[in-house]
Order: sequence, then C-alpha cells, then structure tokens
Amino acid sequence: GENVEQHPSTLSVQEGDSAVIKCTYSDSASNYFPWYKQELGKRPQLIIDIRSNVGEKKDQRIAVTLNKTAKHFSLHITETQPEDSAVYFCAASPYGQNFVFGPGTRLSVLP
Amino acid sequence: GAGVSQSPSNKVTEKGKDVELRCDPISGHTALYWYRQSLGQGLEFLIYFQGNSAPDKSGLPSDRFSAERTGGSVSTLTIQRTQQEDSAVYLCASSLVGGANTEAFFGQGTRLTVV
Repeated sequence: GENVEQHPSTLSVQEGDSAVIKCTYSDSASNYFPWYKQELGKRPQLIIDIRSNVGEKKDQRIAVTLNKTAKHFSLHITETQPEDSAVYFCAASPYGQNFVFGPGTRLSVLP
Repeated sequence: GAGVSQSPSNKVTEKGKDVELRCDPISGHTALYWYRQSLGQGLEFLIYFQGNSAPDKSGLPSDRFSAERTGGSVSTLTIQRTQQEDSAVYLCASSLVGGANTEAFFGQGTRLTVV
C-alpha cells in the first residue's frame, strides 16, 4: 500500500520568512496530493492540492510542487505570518480513493 | 447537513466497555474514511469505505475494532472492550471519488477517553 513520509517534523521560522515542507510517496498509482492545515483543537482543513498532470500550483502565499518521477511533492509558504502556525499534513491518493497522510509538520512562526 | 457530522463530540467510558462512534458524511459523498489521532500525533488510517463496502480495512488496530456503513451514508465505528490506549480523537472524513473535486472533508471528531 501507499506510504507517505514527511519532513521536517517541526519547523520554526521568523515571521516574513519562507517555510518549505517536503513529502515523498511510494505508490505510483497516486495522482492526487492534498495538503491539510490543522490548528490546535480543530479539524484538518484543505489548503491546497495538486494533481499528477500538473507540476506546480500556487494560491497567494502558498504553492505546491510535484515531481512524479521522483515521487515527491513540497509545500511552500512565503511571507509567513503568525496565523500560519499549525500542523501541516500532506497526503497521497489514487483518484481520491483512500487518503494516506504523512506524519505531519508542526510549523511555528516566530514574531 | 452542510458538512461531515460526528457524534458524540466527547465520550468518556470505562475500560472494558464497548463504544459506538457515528459519522454522517456529506450527502452524496461515496467515500468515507476513519482516522485516529492521538494527542499531538498524526492521522492514523483505520478504514476506508466506498459505498457500503470496505476495500481497505488494513488500519484497524485489532479485532476489537469494527466499522460498518449502511445505505451508502452513515457509518459507525465500534470499539469493543475498550482499553486505555484507545483514548484518542477519532476523525471521520468523506469525499467524492472520481470527480473533478476529490477533496476529503473532515468532521470535528469524537474525543474518546477510556478511564
């Protein structure tokens, strides 16, 4: 089955700096890669996703890149703000069937 | 309802008792997922339903855990003879499969405490 690894497990950045979180997956059948943000005590919520027919996607300060050959994808947050502090999870899914999540990255944005 | 709904929100039970956790997915969503999240940890996959069948039950930790889905809608996760290590937040999610929008939407979770 699918296995998703995620690095780093914790990340601290200064406000205004960029943050990068990287994930790898194992199943070549996976073609949908969402990223979820989970604030303390709340449910995970989708922030951005990418499909295998696209190499990069951007939404304001957030971007995701995908390298299908290497089976890795990354989340990039620019101009970080304190409200970006949360746990971020990547996931891999074949056509939306089942979602296997990475172990999460705890991002702290320091003022 | 507009989103995924789980009940109860909180459940405290005595060790050895059975518990049932309920998930109402978004109407029309064909796929339903159960995850377990211990404090400060990641999302541990438990089981995935496509319609009423479960193609992947590989994440269920032991035979004390079972789940069913009826009518392609509501799902129940049952934990028999609960143990203290079962204490966690149990999250349910649902999604469409195969369409243009395959985002998984999460419920608010059920916080289970076994005492």
